[in-house]
Amino acid sequence: DIQMTQSPSSLSASVGDRVTITCRASQSIRSYLNWYQQKPGKAPKLLIFAASSLQSGVPSRFSGSGSGTDFTLTISSLQPEDFATYYCQQSYSTPYNFGQGTKLEIK
Amino acid sequence: QLQLQESGPGLVKPSETLSLTCTVSGGSISSSSYSWGWIRQPPGKGLEWIGSLYYSGNTYYNPSLKSRVIISVDTSKNQFSLKVRSVTAADTAVYYCARQIAVAGANWFDPWGQGTLVTVSS
Repeated sequence: DIQMTQSPSSLSASVGDRVTITCRASQSIRSYLNWYQQKPGKAPKLLIFAASSLQSGVPSRFSGSGSGTDFTLTISSLQPEDFATYYCQQSYSTPYNFGQGTKLEIK
Repeated sequence: QLQLQESGPGLVKPSETLSLTCTVSGGSISSSSYSWGWIRQPPGKGLEWIGSLYYSGNTYYNPSLKSRVIISVDTSKNQFSLKVRSVTAADTAVYYCARQIAVAGANWFDPWGQGTLVTVSS
């Protein structure tokens, strides 16, 4: 199985900050990496698919990059509605494992 | 706009079978362009992929659950279902269904149902 490790596990930031979340795969997954946002009591929402493709309707302040084993999700200027938990997920091979999540909190 | 809705018992006794249904609206579950998946999230924890039903009819399951899980489809009702047998307290979770999109080898889940909490307890 491919293990996904996110860092940090939690992060405090302020509105307007630039934030980067990292996801590392235990082996190469090419560009088969997705990012989801989850707010309390809600289902996850797709932000980025195939490492860097922005899902329709997602604000352009979100971006993804990386390939192989190392990936990043960047929020260029944090907005109040961005405080949530973020998960990466690999789709290179089953089981489609998720990272443990990064909780983004207001400083 | 495609929508998914999970339904089923919220309480299941240990050793029994958990059964959930996902009803798809706003699109056909028979579309050859999509597959369908189940994901769960224990309270306060992260996401775990349970398995997927591909448009080819093939199913793939997480090895951690494989021997206990069945995913099936009922095209006449535009639904797909999840069964997990011999449940324990460790199966207590919010269960999500989702459409799985595959393009050039990449797969992702979108949209997701709202989720349904299943508690395993006597």
